[in-house]
Amino acid sequence: ETGVTQTPRHLVMGMTNKKSLKCEQHLGHNAMYWYKQSAKKPLELMFVYSLEERVENNSVPSRFSPECPNSSHLFLHLHTLQPEDSALYLCASSQEAAVGRGELFFGEGSRLTVL
Amino acid sequence: AQSVTQLGSHVSVSEGALVLLRCNYSSSVPPYLFWYVQYPNQGLQLLLKYTTGATLVKGINGFEAEFKKSETSFHLTKPSAHMSDAAEYFCAVRLFPGNTPLVFGKGTRLSVIA
Repeated sequence: ETGVTQTPRHLVMGMTNKKSLKCEQHLGHNAMYWYKQSAKKPLELMFVYSLEERVENNSVPSRFSPECPNSSHLFLHLHTLQPEDSALYLCASSQEAAVGRGELFFGEGSRLTVL
Repeated sequence: AQSVTQLGSHVSVSEGALVLLRCNYSSSVPPYLFWYVQYPNQGLQLLLKYTTGATLVKGINGFEAEFKKSETSFHLTKPSAHMSDAAEYFCAVRLFPGNTPLVFGKGTRLSVIA
């Protein structure tokens, strides 16, 4: 496996379900991200983890709960979601240095549909 | 705060024609600049980036972009469009220095007509 891998690629869930999205990076990077991509909207940064510590949370509703157990894995736990949460959820990683020039490497995304 | 503006949510060109996708940024200092491409049902892939040095940057698949500080622009070009170039293109900026996350534009969908 190389790059950034996301599972599942597609997920359909009801509003009362609990599910999780998984992301794994094989690039040796030290930062990981969750982005939300909705139709006709810009990419929305949800969470940033650097060295396994959450450094940014852009006012995301508590029904989204991230977890970063180590520098290679990132989860997004989902519960009691709303239909407007249906979107493509993208995971990314980067190698952060003091000057912060690292580009992001993206996974292929998890397409979430909330019924 | 830094921001990115991509002019035109949809651009359509004929196969073999010039591709020009526009990106302007607002930042008090020259940022790092990136272009990403997204094919249907896939994640984003880096096309090219500007950090420092030469202002004309060459990327993959024949694309290039020029950083123009005076115009605060980083437009993406390709001399001759191919059908396989049809995709969504995103411009992104990152403020120098620091570990601030990338700020993305809204994207431009490129259609290539045979």
